[in-house]
Amino acid sequence: EDKVVQSPLSLVVHEGDTVTLNCSYEVTNFRSLLWYKQEKKAPTFLFMLTSSGIEKKSGRLSSILDKKELFSILNITATQTGDSAVYLCAVPPGGGADGLTFGKGTHLIIQP
Amino acid sequence: SAVISQKPSRDICQRGTSLTIQCQVDSQVTMMFWYRQQPGQSLTLIATANQGSEATYESGFVIDKFPISRPNLTFSTLTVSNMSPEDSSIYLCSVDRPLGRTDTQYFGPGTRLTVL
Repeated sequence: EDKVVQSPLSLVVHEGDTVTLNCSYEVTNFRSLLWYKQEKKAPTFLFMLTSSGIEKKSGRLSSILDKKELFSILNITATQTGDSAVYLCAVPPGGGADGLTFGKGTHLIIQP
Repeated sequence: SAVISQKPSRDICQRGTSLTIQCQVDSQVTMMFWYRQQPGQSLTLIATANQGSEATYESGFVIDKFPISRPNLTFSTLTVSNMSPEDSSIYLCSVDRPLGRTDTQYFGPGTRLTVL
């Protein structure tokens, strides 16, 4: 059974801090790993990672994948209160189906 | 990214009744999915909505409880039948592979359901 484990489950930091969120996974026939940000209801897509060691960047957010150690990290630098959200990591299953298996998420709170 | 709308955005329902949630996409998509997010939990896949055939349900979800329709490539409905308070959740539809993209799923705005 595919598995996604995120840590920490919650994190409180001050504005301006840098945070690192972790995601480890177990899936047969790995295809990709996705990061989402969920503020109210709908998760919004951040990154899709398929290759080890290649960093994806978008502004203050970046993410990298390690396929040998089966994990990914999401970094947010110079955090702002608007970064407060639940960050979700997900993988498509390896068995040929197409739905996503999600981790429990990291609830990030940025204090002013 | 695809523009996805869901109706209703929220509802409060009585135990034993049914609610149908609609999901509309602004472009033809190959795959549509329905997820549930119970309070304080992550997203769990309910089923894949297949155009022109029956939906494919994940373990723990059955057609009698969550009938799904997918009449064309831009629209799907999920019905939550014979509701109980345990069905109180956010229900989300998502789409996979809009034209020109692969593997990324985009989510609709969600329907927050409360069952009394």
